[in-house]
Amino acid sequence: NAGVMQNPRHLVRRRGQEARLRCSPMKGHSHVYWYRQLPEEGLKFMVYLQKENIIDESGMPKERFSAEFPKEGPSILRIQQVVRGDSAAYFCASSSTPGWGYTFGSGTRLTVV
Amino acid sequence: GQQVMQIPQYQHVQEGEDFTTYCNSSTTLSNIQWYKQRPGGHPVFLIQLVKSGEVKKQKRLTFQFGEAKKNSSLHITATQTTDVGTYFCAEETSGSRLTFGEGTQLTVNP
Repeated sequence: NAGVMQNPRHLVRRRGQEARLRCSPMKGHSHVYWYRQLPEEGLKFMVYLQKENIIDESGMPKERFSAEFPKEGPSILRIQQVVRGDSAAYFCASSSTPGWGYTFGSGTRLTVV
Repeated sequence: GQQVMQIPQYQHVQEGEDFTTYCNSSTTLSNIQWYKQRPGGHPVFLIQLVKSGEVKKQKRLTFQFGEAKKNSSLHITATQTTDVGTYFCAEETSGSRLTFGEGTQLTVNP
């Protein structure tokens, strides 16, 4: 059981470029959650997905951010036209049954220069 | 929206001393989960409390859920350097999203 896999671990983008963050949940887990953590702060919920469905995207900024979890392959968090304020750690979490703790990936540290 | 307040923000202790972090809410919590995040690491699930007045122990860690389900605490007895990290409480709200507190950053001086 490889756990929740996220890649890349570190990502550097220039302002205006696109960032793509990938997350593969634990085997057997069908629920994926994305959280953002600014330096020295707690984690903030962004989006909750099941295979091919967005369940709750209330934490996603209205512009430039999108997420998907296709039938095959990892979940993708996409940030278009990145700005310096997007610099943060982005964590993916998965669970087999909501309510019994979540397993987090190692995160992607995005730096926008 | 729902907010979970956590105090203190920072705590420095000598190895062997005890440590407590508190989580408070102005409204009734449906449940509380605790996570630990090592420096540069990711959150790791520690425990979930659901029942009013619930107390759970994991070796040197004691977790409590208040009678009114508006507060929770994590107590570590005789801290060790391996306890270093940030401890977060979080409520799982309807729709399966976690609302995290701001965390308590623990440093332990050997």
